[in-house]
Amino acid sequence: DTTVKQNPRYKLARVGKPVNLICSQTMNHDTMYWYQKKPNQAPKLLLFYYDKILNREADTFEKFQSSRPNNSFCSLYIGSAGLEYSAMYLCASSRGGRLDTQYFGPGTRLLVL
Amino acid sequence: AQSVTQPDARVTVSEGASLQLRCKYSSSVTPYLFWYVQYPRQGLQLLLKYYSGDPVVQGVNGFEAEFSKSNSSFHLRKASVHWSDSAVYFCAVSGGSNAKLTFGKGTKLSVKS
Repeated sequence: DTTVKQNPRYKLARVGKPVNLICSQTMNHDTMYWYQKKPNQAPKLLLFYYDKILNREADTFEKFQSSRPNNSFCSLYIGSAGLEYSAMYLCASSRGGRLDTQYFGPGTRLLVL
Repeated sequence: AQSVTQPDARVTVSEGASLQLRCKYSSSVTPYLFWYVQYPRQGLQLLLKYYSGDPVVQGVNGFEAEFSKSNSSFHLRKASVHWSDSAVYFCAVSGGSNAKLTFGKGTKLSVKS
């Protein structure tokens, strides 16, 4: 099974409120990723976990947090949502090698009002 | 640093016609190159990937891509498209010391019957 699951599929949030998105995989992959995708833009890597080590991209360092309580689950947390956070959030997992396939979930569409 | 340019935001072809989707990359190290496809309401799925060897790499569903170091390109091709190939296609590059993917903005393919 190469399924990556994301919950919820759609999320409506208010400006200033927190948002928590969930991702799970059962492939025992070492690495889990979170991307942000806005219309007409490339998917942008926000952060990734290699095992228990969190790596956040420099330009989004303070905007997103994440946790990985076990190998299968990974969350993306926004402490205070702004309008600019409205986007599709894609979770992916892989074994972590440079040529290893990243398996993507269907995404969570977040709308901040 | 690495980047990907997909110069065509939208491509329309007739069913049965041949297809080429363009991808230009920039990487300071030997790149790992990928093509992903996203069908409606689904996650991104790997079509093919390349690191070394024969510059023409075969993928799923009759797709192939050709790597050109001199042109910094990794164009995707298919000899005869089917209506079910309608989707968004993303080119991606991985380089450096980890498996971070940098994506292009994607090309939306519409196949008309």
